[in-house]
Amino acid sequence: QVQLVQSGAEVKKPGASVKVSCKASGYSFSDYYIHFVRQAPGQGLEWMGWITPNSGTTFSARNFHGRVTMTRDTSATTVFLELSRLQSDDTAVYFCARGGPVSHFDYWGQGTLVSVSS
Amino acid sequence: YVLTQPPSVSVAPGQTARISCGGSTIATKSVHWYQQKPGQAPVLVAYDDSDRPSGIPERVTGSKSGNTATLTIRRVEAGDEADYYCQVWDSSLDPTYVFGGGTQVIVL
Repeated sequence: QVQLVQSGAEVKKPGASVKVSCKASGYSFSDYYIHFVRQAPGQGLEWMGWITPNSGTTFSARNFHGRVTMTRDTSATTVFLELSRLQSDDTAVYFCARGGPVSHFDYWGQGTLVSVSS
Repeated sequence: YVLTQPPSVSVAPGQTARISCGGSTIATKSVHWYQQKPGQAPVLVAYDDSDRPSGIPERVTGSKSGNTATLTIRRVEAGDEADYYCQVWDSSLDPTYVFGGGTQVIVL
């Protein structure tokens, strides 16, 4: 069965970076984009960007230009999201999700809580 | 681009819940819907306006008319209590996925 399993919770200080992993299994890794979506406490969903597992091409939302880096390890069928220059309003649950370039997200990871506090 | 959803919808068990999602050019976009229960990841419940993923009951349907998309849940059950989000891809000058603000469905 399709699964996206994410890394565990992180606590970071302002100005630091965080790297979240998302391991895919149960399907052909190269056939689908992986997206990242975050959700601040008590708030809605915010799309961050996507990566194509086969070529490593990335595209991010304007809000995150220059702060987001998405990479992948095809041998480990794992995608990584790195967010730099963290601030307190980056405190959120970060989800990975499977989808196409402009379509819906049919499977989601369980989420990774990133807390930013001094 | 903005998608507008009501903050909450209250419905008695067995009745019908209708969740709206409004956007200025939504008629030209494919609309997708997600259900999210507290502490859980979102789950896709409808896509491309009105298609239903496998495993989603037939009493859950998506539709669209004019500038409003609607997710309808018939014969509401206690387990339907959750937040629901609509989503589109906006291919304007600043391409991005856009989510509505979410609607909390409250089962009375």
